[in-house]
Amino acid sequence: DVKVTQSSRYLVKRTGEKVFLECVQDMDHENMFWYRQDPGLGLRLIYFSYDVKMKEKGDIPEGYSVSREKKERFSLILESASTNQTSMYLCASSWGGTGANIQYFGAGTRLSVL
Amino acid sequence: GESVGLHLPTLSVQEGDNSIINCAYSNSASDYFIWYKQESGKGPQFIIDIRSNMDKRQGQRVTVLLNKTVKHLSLQIAATQPGDSAVYFCAEDNYGQNFVFGPGTRLSVLP
Repeated sequence: DVKVTQSSRYLVKRTGEKVFLECVQDMDHENMFWYRQDPGLGLRLIYFSYDVKMKEKGDIPEGYSVSREKKERFSLILESASTNQTSMYLCASSWGGTGANIQYFGAGTRLSVL
Repeated sequence: GESVGLHLPTLSVQEGDNSIINCAYSNSASDYFIWYKQESGKGPQFIIDIRSNMDKRQGQRVTVLLNKTVKHLSLQIAATQPGDSAVYFCAEDNYGQNFVFGPGTRLSVLP
């Protein structure tokens, strides 16, 4: 089974802090994604990556950055956390190649910014 | 941009009945669709997928129907069980790069 592991289930941070959310997948997937999930808004794509050291902006990249130094790991960074970044963050991975492929999700990190 | 939406935000069904969850999509060029199930406290889990060259696909107790004429997707769950209680998302292929997700429908199974 595909396993996508997010390092924390719950995080509480203060406004202005730098926050790192870590995600690791064990299926050698080329593609990795970060979403945030808010009530009534569904999943919104923040950033994605097709390969090591590559990144692409999603629909809502403002206030976030990402890092992919190794194929299995994709990190989401909040440079200066703000209260409007309180949300559930979901990481996903998928095979590469032509076209979109099934995305496999981690359990999520619920981040609260105070 | 293109979006994927759901007709109903909540759905309650009796245990043992069949459930139908609907989804409208707007991009007629979309080639691939997925249904996900998200249980409380968990990430979305793949249920079933369908490509645009098909009208119907069946899995174990689930069936996905695709009507390209009216850009409508539905998920049918047979003999709904308490373990089926969750939020269900449809996802639409976004020009082969990633997916656009709908806001989700919460399915509640009544005893």
